[in-house]
Amino acid sequence: GDSVTQTEGLVTVTEGLPVKLNCTYQTTYLTIAFFWYVQYLNEAPQVLLKSSTDNKRTEHQGFHATLHKSSSSFHLQKSSAQLSDSALYYCALSDNMGYKLTFGTGTSLLVDP
Amino acid sequence: ETAVFQTPNYHVTQVGNEVSFNCKQTLGHDTMYWYKQDSKKLLKIMFSYNNKQLIVNETVPRRFSPQSSDKAHLNLRIKSVEPEDSAVYLCASSYAGQGGAETLYFGSGTRLTVL
Repeated sequence: GDSVTQTEGLVTVTEGLPVKLNCTYQTTYLTIAFFWYVQYLNEAPQVLLKSSTDNKRTEHQGFHATLHKSSSSFHLQKSSAQLSDSALYYCALSDNMGYKLTFGTGTSLLVDP
Repeated sequence: ETAVFQTPNYHVTQVGNEVSFNCKQTLGHDTMYWYKQDSKKLLKIMFSYNNKQLIVNETVPRRFSPQSSDKAHLNLRIKSVEPEDSAVYLCASSYAGQGGAETLYFGSGTRLTVL
């Protein structure tokens, strides 16, 4: 079956410094889409980024990610972390019809002042 | 602005009781989902419906049964709750059939506590 791996349970970074959250995957689907969802405390998950194009950088709200099918990765990065970025981040993989989104285990990002 | 509405927000019940959760979306989407978020924040799909038809049914205990009256509503019934059912149940909706690149819109969730 499909799987999404997020190796870090918690990432702590100082405000203003760069941050990278790792995401790798395994899938048998030929047509796939990838997402990063963010969940702020006591809120619902919401989409941050999505991509289905290999080697194309996607950006939103200062975050960016590039899908690399050669390495089965979709890492999330930001050049300068803000206190308001503290949240739980999920990487997710969609099946080719959109009926099932498989989430990784999530990475909590804590930005310190 | 909330477009996926879930009720109730919280529910506390005893082992063996029956509970029902409601979900309604006003986005005009054709696909709705139930996800379970456990105490470790693991987010796992339970069911997905497309135009009232069950599409995805993961390995969920038989005491869980989804119910869809139309494409805007998807309810979840748990016939006899167990302690391990304590979790946040998240409803979501999207348009399906676009090559998998659909964005899911989540409701605020129903937190179930089983005593």
